[in-house]
Amino acid sequence: AQSVTQPDIHITVSEGASLELRCNYSYGATPYLFWYVQSPGQGLQLLLKYFSGDTLVQGIKGFEAEFKRSQSSFNLRKPSVHWSDAAEYFCAVGGLLTGGGNKLTFGTGTQLKVEL
Amino acid sequence: DAGVIQSPRHEVTEMGQEVTLRCKPISGHNSLFWYRQTMMRGLELLIYFNNNVPIDDSGMPEDRFSAKMPNASFSTLKIQPSEPRDSAVYFCAISLADRYNEQFFGPGTRLTVL
Repeated sequence: AQSVTQPDIHITVSEGASLELRCNYSYGATPYLFWYVQSPGQGLQLLLKYFSGDTLVQGIKGFEAEFKRSQSSFNLRKPSVHWSDAAEYFCAVGGLLTGGGNKLTFGTGTQLKVEL
Repeated sequence: DAGVIQSPRHEVTEMGQEVTLRCKPISGHNSLFWYRQTMMRGLELLIYFNNNVPIDDSGMPEDRFSAKMPNASFSTLKIQPSEPRDSAVYFCAISLADRYNEQFFGPGTRLTVL
């Protein structure tokens, strides 16, 4: 069975500081990995995804993530955080569904607070 | 969010009442998903449709929950009768036929059952 662990429930960083959000996954084959962001009262927005190829993937809003198979990790990073990045971040792992499509298993989320 | 419309955005009802949540996806999708989000359980997949056919409903918590997709542009999630523990945010998500690995989420319906 696939699973995702986000060990940090809450993280607080100062504006302008660097950020790394941790994500570890369990999956029996090559995983499809995703990071989503959820602002208060909103749905989930895709930040970036990894399917294959280059293990460092770039996303929207200046985010990037690195897939490390040996560590079963897919950590999200941003060099300089902006106050508008305050939100909840979800890591997800995907597996193929019958007939196509992709079932996503989500982590429990990391709430990011940005101090001005 | 622009690709998936959910209604209502907020619903407050009393225990025992029937609740119907609606999802209107953009065209071009081949899969539709219903999720529930709570503080205690996080994001849970309830049911998944592929080409309008229910494929996996193992996440539906009880027989009180049912979902339909009568056509490609409309889906409903019904709770009858509703209970306070059903209070949550319910999301509809889709994946597109040519980008089947990504899911696009609607804004959600916040349900409160008193």
